[in-house]
Amino acid sequence: AQSVTQLDSQVPVFEEAPVELRCNYSSSVSVYLFWYVQYPNQGLQLLLKYLSGSTLVKGINGFEAEFNKSQTSFHLRKPSVHISDTAEYFCAVGLDTGRRALTFGSGTRLQVQP
Amino acid sequence: NAGVTQTPKFQVLKTGQSMTLQCAQDMNHNSMYWYRQDPGMGLRLIYYSASEGTTDKGEVPNGYNVSRLNKREFSLRLESAAPSQTSVYFCASSEGVAGAADTQYFGPGTRLTVL
Repeated sequence: AQSVTQLDSQVPVFEEAPVELRCNYSSSVSVYLFWYVQYPNQGLQLLLKYLSGSTLVKGINGFEAEFNKSQTSFHLRKPSVHISDTAEYFCAVGLDTGRRALTFGSGTRLQVQP
Repeated sequence: NAGVTQTPKFQVLKTGQSMTLQCAQDMNHNSMYWYRQDPGMGLRLIYYSASEGTTDKGEVPNGYNVSRLNKREFSLRLESAAPSQTSVYFCASSEGVAGAADTQYFGPGTRLTVL
């Protein structure tokens, strides 16, 4: 069975600083990888996803993530964060088996301070 | 387009009461999902419906039932609520054409408290 580990439950950072949110997964088959963002009191929305091809994936709001198969990681990065990036970020994995369900990590709360 | 809508937004139940959470999507999606979100645990899949007329259990189905009423609507029923079902419930939908590669679109959630 697949699993997703988000190594940091909270990441405090100052505005305009760079940030990296870490995600590791385990699976014995090929995977699809996602980052979703949840702003306070809202549902989740897709930031970016990796399906195949280039290992560097660019998403909305200036975020990008890099798929590293050897390290089974999919870390999310942004070179300069804004106050408005304060939210909870979830990494998720789906299997290339036809089954539609995703497995989500426990989430990382990004707190951007002025 | 409203996307994915959920009703109610908030609900308080007493142990043993029943209720149905409603979900509808207007994106003509084939697949729909119910998740629960608990602190420190991320989202866990309760049930999903790959297409109209089919439903499958997810990771945490015990204590819940679902109905895919038509292509637009997917309801979640708690027959006898328990305090362990206190959670935030999210409905989601996807096109259902690319399996797990599809983007899922989420509703705003229902915050349920069981006393």
